[in-house]
Amino acid sequence: EPEVTQTPSHQVTQMGQEVILRCVPISNHLYFYWYRQILGQKVEFLVSFYNNEISEKSEIFDDQFSVERPDGSNFTLKIRSTKLEDSAMYFCASQIEGTTEAFFGQGTRLTVV
Amino acid sequence: KNEVEQSPQNLTAQEGEFITINCSYSVGISALHWLQQHPGGGIVSLFMLSSGKKKHGRLIATINIQEKHSSLHITASHPRDSAVYICAAPSSGGGADGLTFGKGTHLIIQP
Repeated sequence: EPEVTQTPSHQVTQMGQEVILRCVPISNHLYFYWYRQILGQKVEFLVSFYNNEISEKSEIFDDQFSVERPDGSNFTLKIRSTKLEDSAMYFCASQIEGTTEAFFGQGTRLTVV
Repeated sequence: KNEVEQSPQNLTAQEGEFITINCSYSVGISALHWLQQHPGGGIVSLFMLSSGKKKHGRLIATINIQEKHSSLHITASHPRDSAVYICAAPSSGGGADGLTFGKGTHLIIQP
């Protein structure tokens, strides 16, 4: 069964460093999303991406964040200069055009120290 | 923007009990998601439903679009059902701004 895969599963980084979280969506899906879950809180929407550009972004998604589809398969989330409060679980999701059924990756746990 | 509320926040039950988790939302939607999150953190999609009822094994999800309410039921609950159950609805009418998630229901099934 096709699935969304995320790497790495866990990343520890120093405050101020850049991190890139990677996602491989399901191959025929056209909508891609990043979500974030701070420990003990609910999952929050960060950004959606369609047709090689950002469709919507939340107020969380400030200038420190960027997304890219560098090739036909990967979908990345970059945090330029990480802060302690960026520590969270980051989920990638993808969905096929015309539905709202989302398929989630297993998440990347980012720890900023 | 949709607001999603779940209840209860925490639920402890004995093995074999019938479990009900409730979800309400504020904006009319095309479909609602029920998700499961295990202690490791990964999210698994259980159901996406737009009307009526869906059943998968011991899990049953129902939705009342007019009432803006959905329930997730677990029959003959088992300790392995222990997890956080989350409902999520489209943030607005379209899909571009993703899903709004409830806070989750932390379910513990004791043997």
